[in-house]
Amino acid sequence: QVHLVQSGGEVKQPGASVKVSCKTSGYSFSNYGINWVRQAPGQGLEWVGWISPFSGNTNQPLKFHGRVTMTTDTSTSTVFMELKSLTSDDTATYYCARDRDPSDWYNIDYWGQGTLVTVSS
Amino acid sequence: DIQMTQSPSSLSASVGDRVTITCRASQAIGIALAWFQQRPGKAPKSLIYSASSLQSGVPSRFSGSGSGTDFTLTISSLQPEDFGTYYCQHSNSYPPTFGQGTKVEIK
Repeated sequence: QVHLVQSGGEVKQPGASVKVSCKTSGYSFSNYGINWVRQAPGQGLEWVGWISPFSGNTNQPLKFHGRVTMTTDTSTSTVFMELKSLTSDDTATYYCARDRDPSDWYNIDYWGQGTLVTVSS
Repeated sequence: DIQMTQSPSSLSASVGDRVTITCRASQAIGIALAWFQQRPGKAPKSLIYSASSLQSGVPSRFSGSGSGTDFTLTISSLQPEDFGTYYCQHSNSYPPTFGQGTKVEIK
């Protein structure tokens, strides 16, 4: 059974960085891409980026270029998303979400439980 | 970027009603369209993928249709547990984008 379990909530000051983890199980880790999606309080869903655990290749929207870093640890089947230079606009719940098929990028089936990141001075 | 526009933004319906939510893409995306349900305080859950394929374990009262730019999610007989917000998302190209959501309330 596929599971994605994320790290706990974080409170950060403006200008700091946050690193969220997503530990996966129940499938072949290297074969499926992982997306990151965020949701500000009371708002809709926003795609933050994607990583291939097989190649390490990443994609992210232009608005996050230079601020988002996604990495993997194949020994623990874990994906990490680091967001730098935090502002109050980054306050949101961050979700990891798996690609449905190795060749079908961004087509999501399973989601993590979410990690609330609060940016406040 | 491809813009996804859902309508309506919210609706209120009675148990047993047929409910239809539409999603329009700003350019053709084939059938690269998914629907998700999100209950308050929970992670989104996959309902439909590739426009009309039902996610395993999802009740058959949920169905999807469409291709190109116009898509529909239908709940054939609304149940009390179907409250929440529904999102469409395209996966046709970089970057994938979501609709703004449709909030479904039970009368």
